[in-house]
Amino acid sequence: QSALTQPPSVSGSPGQSVTISCTGTSSDVGTYNRVSWYQQPPGTAPKLMIYEVTNRPSGVPDRFSGSKSGSTASLTISGLQAEDEADYYCSSYTSSSTWVFGGGTKLTVL
Amino acid sequence: QLQLQESGPGLVKPSETLSLTCTVSGDSISTSSYYWGWIRQPPGKGLEWIGNIYYSGSTYYTPSLKSRVTISVDTSKNQFSLKLSSVTAADTAVYFCARPVRGNYGSSGYYYYWGQGTLVTVSS
Repeated sequence: QSALTQPPSVSGSPGQSVTISCTGTSSDVGTYNRVSWYQQPPGTAPKLMIYEVTNRPSGVPDRFSGSKSGSTASLTISGLQAEDEADYYCSSYTSSSTWVFGGGTKLTVL
Repeated sequence: QLQLQESGPGLVKPSETLSLTCTVSGDSISTSSYYWGWIRQPPGKGLEWIGNIYYSGSTYYTPSLKSRVTISVDTSKNQFSLKLSSVTAADTAVYFCARPVRGNYGSSGYYYYWGQGTLVTVSS
């Protein structure tokens, strides 16, 4: 299985919205609504932000939202804040009953 | 409060076997219906899913590591373990153990609880 495809970097100014894409195949993102998103500031463990495409765990601000179209999932962060600067990873269930991560996207808040 | 803690050698020689244990507190592996996972992250690189295990011992492994990986569980100690054989420098990484939240589609893969991670360096 290949890693899901994410843009290496995105950026935005405080208050703006940014969207991070995550492209898979019909063997993962395209078939299963089991996509999750993680936020990882430097030197820390990842934090679950979104699961099953659109669900937010308790405590995650509603500025974070997820969606999916075909084999591409997206994470949108609205009202960008300086504290949102981190690496973001998507993950998907696969037809082999395994999980695969994306390569990661570095979000810079300008 | 659920906590996970990885433990094991921080330095492993090439061709040897990497062994790590994840000790769980605040939850019972044997009574909670989750697939407990191992994930790794090479320095400066992205996350890689290694595999997971159910309390019954059922396991799934990523294809690229399947021939070298064994994940096991010891419910009496509330621990699960990772063994990776024939290691090379490419296996140098921070290794995380994690537990998912339960979703509508199952209880694996959405990792909410994470250990702090442990750096394992492969070097002679």
